[in-house]
Amino acid sequence: ETGVTQTPRHLVMGMTNKKSLKCEQHLGHNAMYWYKQSAKKPLELMFVYNFKEQTENNSVPSRFSPECPNSSHLFLHLHTLQPEDSALYLCASSQDRGLPYGYTFGSGTRLTVV
Amino acid sequence: DQQVKQNSPSLSVQEGRISILNCDYTNSMFDYFLWYKKYPAEGPTFLISISSIKDKNEDGRFTVFLNKSAKHLSLHIVPSQPGDSAVYFCAAGTFLGGGADGLTFGKGTHLIIQP
Repeated sequence: ETGVTQTPRHLVMGMTNKKSLKCEQHLGHNAMYWYKQSAKKPLELMFVYNFKEQTENNSVPSRFSPECPNSSHLFLHLHTLQPEDSALYLCASSQDRGLPYGYTFGSGTRLTVV
Repeated sequence: DQQVKQNSPSLSVQEGRISILNCDYTNSMFDYFLWYKKYPAEGPTFLISISSIKDKNEDGRFTVFLNKSAKHLSLHIVPSQPGDSAVYFCAAGTFLGGGADGLTFGKGTHLIIQP
């Protein structure tokens, strides 16, 4: 496989459930990102990992917990979510900070919290 | 407060004509700007970028113009083709001067190319 792969593509979970989103990149990049896209809102940066170290956390609630075991894999662990957390969650990767070609995005996980 | 603004949620253009998508930003620290294109059920894909030391960058049918004094950039697509129908996101970051990691995105503009 090439590029950035996200699983699952769709996820429906209850507010008391615990689930994880997975992202894998086969591009040899050293930085990975989680973005959230809610309806009628811009993509919102959630977390940044550079060489497996978290460098940014954009005031994300603790019910979202990222994990980056190596430069190729990124997880987003979810627990006790709220209905307003329903959104498209996009993973991206880049070489260093992403110049000049920006980020490579996965297709996203469409999350619905019921 | 939105730092990157795309004020037109949608734009309809006839095939063969020029499409102009606009983007404004408020953070004067941004020094690198990118455009992404997104089809339904896919992630955004990189289209073209420009650094703050330039005012124009061209790649085939796509040209990005940057007006730093106005904090404005635009993407020109000419001629527009049916396959250009997609959502276009403007993004900005502080790359060259250091600063936080991560791109800041606008809400996107849905471009519709009519035959």
